[in-house]
Amino acid sequence: EIALTQSPDTLSLSPGERATLSCKASEFLRNNFLAWYQQKPGQSPILLVSGASSRATGVPDRFSGSGSETDFTLLISGLEPEDSAMYYCQQYSSSPPTFGGGTKVEIK
Amino acid sequence: EVQLMESGGGLVQPGGSLRLSCGASAFSVTSNYIAWVRQAPGKGLEWVSVLYPGGTIYYADSVRGRFTVSRDFSEDTLQLQMNSLRVEDTAVYYCATPHPVDYDRSGLLIYYFDHWGQGARVIVSS
Repeated sequence: EIALTQSPDTLSLSPGERATLSCKASEFLRNNFLAWYQQKPGQSPILLVSGASSRATGVPDRFSGSGSETDFTLLISGLEPEDSAMYYCQQYSSSPPTFGGGTKVEIK
Repeated sequence: EVQLMESGGGLVQPGGSLRLSCGASAFSVTSNYIAWVRQAPGKGLEWVSVLYPGGTIYYADSVRGRFTVSRDFSEDTLQLQMNSLRVEDTAVYYCATPHPVDYDRSGLLIYYFDHWGQGARVIVSS
């Protein structure tokens, strides 16, 4: 199984600031097969990004994904209060799909 | 818009059984790929199982032999029968729709998840 390591565990930032979330894979992810999800407390995850950089329908353009091979980033530009959530990456380069441990984004 | 709905969660003693169900609106659960993903309290997400439209089912090592996925075509629902439950099975169980992308080197489908249900809470405790 491919392991994903997310960092940092927690980000505490003010509205309008930029959040940089990292996801590192234990193996090369072919075709950048990596997705990002947002999960707010008590809610189910929502797909943000697939293919490392393709935003899902309806996702604001302040969310952008990048990266390749083993290193991936989710950037949230101009943080809004509603961006307070856990963020998970998921690889689908090989089966079974695996998830990172998550990064918590707190808005001060 | 696709909406998934789980039901059947609850409290069960270790060694006991529980059955979850997953239905949907604007989507046929029995005609499409469908998966189960769980989340232990305060923890991350863990893939549990995937069912292909043709009936092929794959399970995570942690549940294989104890959990069984089946379909009810008359109700268009998916069931997750969980037997020999352990404390570590305590989690919120989500059904989710896999978005097929390709096949890996072993010939297994690879996918991300584009729709999730609201989850069913399972507590295994004495």
